[in-house]
Amino acid sequence: AAGVIQSPRHLIKEKRETATLKCYPIPRHDTVYWYQQGPGQDPQFLISFYEKMQSDKGSIPDRFSAQQFSDYHSELNMSSLELGDSALYFCASSPQGQYEQYFGPGTRLTVT
Amino acid sequence: AQKVTQAQTEISVVEKEDVTLDCVYETRDTTYYLFWYKQPPSGELVFLIRRNSFDEQNEISGRYSWNFQKSTSSFNFTITASQVVDSAVYFCALSVPSGSARQLTFGSGTQLTVLP
Repeated sequence: AAGVIQSPRHLIKEKRETATLKCYPIPRHDTVYWYQQGPGQDPQFLISFYEKMQSDKGSIPDRFSAQQFSDYHSELNMSSLELGDSALYFCASSPQGQYEQYFGPGTRLTVT
Repeated sequence: AQKVTQAQTEISVVEKEDVTLDCVYETRDTTYYLFWYKQPPSGELVFLIRRNSFDEQNEISGRYSWNFQKSTSSFNFTITASQVVDSAVYFCALSVPSGSARQLTFGSGTQLTVLP
């Protein structure tokens, strides 16, 4: 079965640089979520999109932005990176009308 | 606001022992969904189960079982005859639907180590 695809899997950036993370949801899933998981922490909700429209916003810094495109893939853009942005970033998707979220393998971002 | 508490930070058992992971949740909403996810050392988050607030039936899937009790706001997870491959961090999560928003609120996770 198809799963959520995230790229890149690992990313190393320097402070003040910009990063773009990509997510390809499971086909026919209508909702995409982004989460941030710091070392030893639980995942924290950042933002979600339902049918390409932003549906909810969590603790996402103003330096971050995201969008969902016509083909349903989503990108998380992170600017002015800080050391504290080092984390595992998950994308998840949900089938239409369902509440379980299926997570991708994550992108491990390291800011040096 | 929603909150999920997993009081057990770490649990260590010997293979073939049974183990129960506790989860207590808080919400003022009457409609909500509860989940368990597994995060093995490789890092991915694996969906295990979803329960809605109107369905208090317990569920068994192989060696896994879940006990949902609204009276105590608990959704506990039991692994029977644990195996080394069960070693992982287990997260309990809560979702309260609001329009199209369905974000998950996670507990802090329980690190389960199964020793051979």
